[in-house]
Amino acid sequence: AQSVAQPEDQVKVAEGNPLTVKCTYSVSGNPYLFWYVQYPNRGLQFLLKYITGDNLVKGSYGFEAEFNKSQTSFHLKKPSALVSDSALYFCAVRDFHFLEGGKLIFGQGTELSVKP
Amino acid sequence: DAGVIQSPRHEVTEMGQEVTLRCKPISGHDYLFWYRQTMMRGLELLIYFNNNVPIDDSGMPEDRFSAKMPNASFSTLKIQPSEPRDSAVYFCASSSEGLSYEQYFGPGTRLTVT
Repeated sequence: AQSVAQPEDQVKVAEGNPLTVKCTYSVSGNPYLFWYVQYPNRGLQFLLKYITGDNLVKGSYGFEAEFNKSQTSFHLKKPSALVSDSALYFCAVRDFHFLEGGKLIFGQGTELSVKP
Repeated sequence: DAGVIQSPRHEVTEMGQEVTLRCKPISGHDYLFWYRQTMMRGLELLIYFNNNVPIDDSGMPEDRFSAKMPNASFSTLKIQPSEPRDSAVYFCASSSEGLSYEQYFGPGTRLTVT
């Protein structure tokens, strides 16, 4: 069965420092991987995705993610964190269920807190 | 495009009343998803449609919940009768195969059942 895990409920970093939000996955077949961000009182917002190609994917707001097939990970990174990056981050994987593959499986979310 | 549109944005109702949430997906998207988010349970997929046909409703909590998609541009999620434990934020999202299934979320409806 397809699944995704975010091992940290919360990540705290200082402004200006690099940040990493972790995600591991389990899928049969080639994974479609996604990161979303949710600011308070808002819907989830797409950040980036990996479908195929270069293992380093660049997305919105200076975020990037590295696909590592051997470690089945897709960690979200940013070289220099901003206070405005504080939000809830979700990792997701496409669910290849039978012949119908439109569903995404979301992780439980990681709350990122960036302090000035 | 205006993005996914949900209405109402806030709904306060009394236990036992019927509640109807509405969603207009992005034009051209052939998938529509209904999610529920609470602090306790996180983000839960309730049901999703492909080309207006329900594909997976295994996340619908019980018979009090029902969802319809009469056409490609409109969907409803109905709760009848509502209970206080239904209080949550309900999100609608849409996607398409052409976008590699990347989902676009609406702003959500915050439901409070007293």
